[in-house]
Amino acid sequence: NAGVMQNPRHLVRRRGQEARLRCSPMKGHSHVYWYRQLPEEGLKFMVYLQKENIIDESGMPKERFSAEFPKEGPSILRIQQVVRGDSAAYFCASSPVPGSRSYEQYFGPGTRLTVT
Amino acid sequence: KQEVTQIPAALSVPEGENLVLNCSFTDSAIYNLQWFRQDPGKGLTSLLLIQSSQREQTSGRLNASLDKSSGRSTLYIAASQPGDSATYLCAVRPPTSGTYKYIFGTGTRLKVLA
Repeated sequence: NAGVMQNPRHLVRRRGQEARLRCSPMKGHSHVYWYRQLPEEGLKFMVYLQKENIIDESGMPKERFSAEFPKEGPSILRIQQVVRGDSAAYFCASSPVPGSRSYEQYFGPGTRLTVT
Repeated sequence: KQEVTQIPAALSVPEGENLVLNCSFTDSAIYNLQWFRQDPGKGLTSLLLIQSSQREQTSGRLNASLDKSSGRSTLYIAASQPGDSATYLCAVRPPTSGTYKYIFGTGTRLKVLA
């Protein structure tokens, strides 16, 4: 059973370009979470999605950032008009239906975004 | 607002020592707490998950305890090895209805010297 997959692993963008980060959850998982880790800081929650639904986007910046998890295909985190402050590691996690307390999040290897 | 703190921020120990990493959280109402390991430039590896109704969990040389009433968790590593060198993160899941996000501490950077 493959783990959570993220691509690309490293992404370099110039200021003003768009960045698209992809996350394929573990097989059987229908819930995806995105977290951001700025240099020398802890992981911060960004958004929680189920298939075709955004459940909690309380951690998403108000502008330039969007996320989706379509019925088919990976979850996408999209950053428009990137700025240097967007440089960070972006982690995706997935979980099975989180109906019980035993639910656990499994993390991908991350995408390291560098904005030049 | 839930806040998670980890002390110490960094720790350096000789190989073979037993050590304790601390995690504290401000709101004792949590669903669970999870300990992770993060190697430089890598993702997160789950170490132990403790349910809110549990007091501790063990896996090999690792033992994690949870004291909800005092808002604390500890990760005990027995007989440390150089391969244990990494950043250790704890994360709590608050009981906010409808969301299952984790709130992370800033981590403890552990270095085990050979």
